[in-house]
Amino acid sequence: DQQVKQNSPSLSVQEGRISILNCDYTNSMFDYFLWYKKYPAEGPTFLISISSIKDKNEDGRFTVFLNKSAKHLSLHIVPSQPGDSAVYFCAASALYGGSQGNLIFGKGTKLSVKP
Amino acid sequence: DSGVTQTPKHLITATGQRVTLRCSPRSGDLSVYWYQQSLDQGLQFLIQYYNGEERAKGNILERFSAQQFPDLHSELNLSSLELGDSALYFCASSGTTSLDAGELFFGEGSRLTVL
Repeated sequence: DQQVKQNSPSLSVQEGRISILNCDYTNSMFDYFLWYKKYPAEGPTFLISISSIKDKNEDGRFTVFLNKSAKHLSLHIVPSQPGDSAVYFCAASALYGGSQGNLIFGKGTKLSVKP
Repeated sequence: DSGVTQTPKHLITATGQRVTLRCSPRSGDLSVYWYQQSLDQGLQFLIQYYNGEERAKGNILERFSAQQFPDLHSELNLSSLELGDSALYFCASSGTTSLDAGELFFGEGSRLTVL
């Protein structure tokens, strides 16, 4: 039973355009959502997060949108750069419900940004 | 460099064998998490330790066990290995039992191949 789903295994975008990565979740107890980025032969690195009291969080070129009613979040990267090419993982947690850091990850979306 | 060190980076062994994966968290981090990433799967949470004590358990098999030592390093023991145990095993650390700013710091992973 996948609680966090990333239905697109891959995404290809032209440099300078917008990349939109999507994530759906099923557990209504999730109240904290994160995106991680992973390069080959490296561990995942934290990118951006959002709590369920917000519907948008922005950090430079990265913006995460949360639609609680649809149990959907998305990561927008504008403008996309070749260095953004990586696997992006969506993760969720029932943080304020006391899950103590038990992050549930999606399977990841491989983003390729072409020059 | 996340500051989390995992050894070994690669390990090849046979079915039925036992291996130990080691993790040194970032300096000062009290929490250690273990995740498993199998082929085409997201990161599956296995177990969390905080300051030497087990704090949360995920989908960890009975053949697997972990511990965190007084110097805060952790070991994940995998026994009676099966072909399906072949995976990347990630260790992550954070400062407290909660996610704080949402950031878990991941090591580069230990790639286990069971033949």
